Amino acid sequence: AQSVTQLDSQVPVFEEAPVELRCNYSSSVSVYLFWYVQYPNQGLQLLLKYLSGSTLVKGINGFEAEFNKSQTSFHLRKPSVHISDTAEYFCAVSAGSSNTGKLIFGQGTTLQVKP
Amino acid sequence: GAGVSQSPSNKVTEKGKDVELRCDPISGHTALYWYRQSLGQGLEFLIYFQGNSAPDKSGLPSDRFSAERTGGSVSTLTIQRTQQEDSAVYLCASSPSPNEKLFFGSGTQLSVL
Repeated sequence: AQSVTQLDSQVPVFEEAPVELRCNYSSSVSVYLFWYVQYPNQGLQLLLKYLSGSTLVKGINGFEAEFNKSQTSFHLRKPSVHISDTAEYFCAVSAGSSNTGKLIFGQGTTLQVKP
Repeated sequence: GAGVSQSPSNKVTEKGKDVELRCDPISGHTALYWYRQSLGQGLEFLIYFQGNSAPDKSGLPSDRFSAERTGGSVSTLTIQRTQQEDSAVYLCASSPSPNEKLFFGSGTQLSVL
């Protein structure tokens, strides 16, 4: 069975600083990995996804993530954050290879960007 | 419509009552999902509909939970005899097909007193 662990429940950071949100997964089969973001009072939206190919995946709003099979990680990074990046971030793994919408989510990481 | 629409946005009910939550997906999206977001459990998959196929109900926590999707469009999630542990945000998502990204609604906040 697959599972996802987000290692930090909250990450405070100052504006324009770099940030890394950590995600580890476990799976006995090939995985598809995702990061979703939930801005205050908004629905979840996809930041980026890894299905195959290059292990470095670029997403919206300047975020990127690297799939590391040996470390079973999919950490999310941004070199310089903005106040508007304050949100909750969810790492997820697909529960089935034929359906990437059926997801197992991590517990979420709240990113708090301070001026 | 412009996005996935869910109603009501907030629902307060008494323990033991039945509730119905509605989801109106993006027009043309064949795949529809229900998830639940609660403090103790995070985001959990509940049920998945794809076209006219039998739904994947593997995430429903008990037989008090059921869902239907009429005409391949609007979906209703029904919780019978609600319990306090059912309190959560119920999220609906749709996608053009099972292997494309999900578009989430803003959710229904359910509070069971």
